[in-house]
Amino acid sequence: QVQLVESGGGVVQPGRSLRLSCEASGFTFSVYAMHWVRQAPGKGLQWVASLLYDGSQKFYADSVKGRFTISRDNSKNTLDLHMNSLTPEDTAVYYCARGRQLVPDENWGQGTLVAVSS
Amino acid sequence: QSALTQEASVSGTVGQKVTLSCTGNSNNIGSYTVAWYQQISHGAPKTVMFGNSLPSGIPDRFSGSKSGTTASLTISGLQPEDEADYYCSTWDYSLSAVVFGGGTKLTVL
Repeated sequence: QVQLVESGGGVVQPGRSLRLSCEASGFTFSVYAMHWVRQAPGKGLQWVASLLYDGSQKFYADSVKGRFTISRDNSKNTLDLHMNSLTPEDTAVYYCARGRQLVPDENWGQGTLVAVSS
Repeated sequence: QSALTQEASVSGTVGQKVTLSCTGNSNNIGSYTVAWYQQISHGAPKTVMFGNSLPSGIPDRFSGSKSGTTASLTISGLQPEDEADYYCSTWDYSLSAVVFGGGTKLTVL
């Protein structure tokens, strides 16, 4: 069955960097777009970034543009999110999700918590 | 402010039919597939409707529709376990972004 497992979350100081990873299994990873979505404490779902199946196009929310980089390795079935210049506003649970028709489909990971605090 | 507009809260009694709405524009809902996600106690989102398709394992009391720039999620025969936050989402061509609604808190009385 489809599995998405995020890792890399933790507590980080403001201004520092963190890399999240999402390991995919149970489907042909290389033919699907992938998304990162986050949820800050007490807030709704917020889209972060998306990447087409072959990595040819990347899309970012304005709030993370220039600071975050989404990437994938289709040979390893992994999706990454490199996060730089983190601020407390980036504190959230980060989910990776498989994409179909440009939106997250039925497959989501369990999430990884990123807490930005001094 | 979300690109998609949802009711902040909706309530219903067990067995009742309730409809949640999601309003956008021609750049998003009017042109692209809409998905609906259920989230219970801030756990991982679960997709309850993808376009007009019911994902595997989702009860058939859930149904979805779209008319112009408004999408709807209907739950026929509300159950206590349906109490959750519900979010709609789609692609926005003008923003080149995935957009979410602000979420609807569904309470089962």
